[in-house]
Amino acid sequence: QSVLTQPPSVSGAPGQRVTISCTGSSSNIGAGYDVHWYQRLPGTAPKLLIYGNSNRPSGVPDRFSGSKSGTSASLAITGLLAEDEADYFCQSYDSSLVGSDVVFGGGTKLTVL
Amino acid sequence: QVQLQESGPGLVKPSETLSLTCTVSGGSVSNYYWSWIRQPPGQGLEWIGYIYDSGTTSYNPSLKSRVTMSVVTSKNQFSLKLSSVTAADAALYYCARVQWEGLGVNLDVWGKGTTVTVSS
Repeated sequence: QSVLTQPPSVSGAPGQRVTISCTGSSSNIGAGYDVHWYQRLPGTAPKLLIYGNSNRPSGVPDRFSGSKSGTSASLAITGLLAEDEADYFCQSYDSSLVGSDVVFGGGTKLTVL
Repeated sequence: QVQLQESGPGLVKPSETLSLTCTVSGGSVSNYYWSWIRQPPGQGLEWIGYIYDSGTTSYNPSLKSRVTMSVVTSKNQFSLKLSSVTAADAALYYCARVQWEGLGVNLDVWGKGTTVTVSS
């Protein structure tokens, strides 16, 4: 079980808007740690899509946006394209009595209908 | 443009040590933190740990007793050793570059990953 919780799958038709949630707890997202999102296209290396909750690296289209509130974060994709079909992972940092860790969500498979 | 490439045996016997290397091209291994992450079949990503070029390390507490990471600056590589492997260690293993920004870290460059099977 992953520390951060994501829906296993989401789907949408071309042109639509989809959102992917990422739920954590008071020791990670709720503690103020940033949330980052990664896109993994089939057979390729994961790519940093959103960093610092809502920032896009150079080259990432503005169709992708991120937000964070409380113990949760969301990735929104607007104007869905067939090429967006991929796995999406959220990631944050967790600090507890045991120590500090990089933590991930279980991943969400986006299907473009 | 920095690129990472994982390499190592795709098959490891139970109880033996898994050894993987990540080669950095288009940039230097120096002055950065580097990480290993894995994804077992049907499961999510799991952080294994990270290392700085000076040798400073931080490992996932659940794997700490079996993990060793190192950096070879002369070869622009860093490596992972995981001892006493079991079937639970079979996974797609990734190497990645760590960026400390804001509150926490992100992984801004990843390798394509290498599959490791554990079987006799």
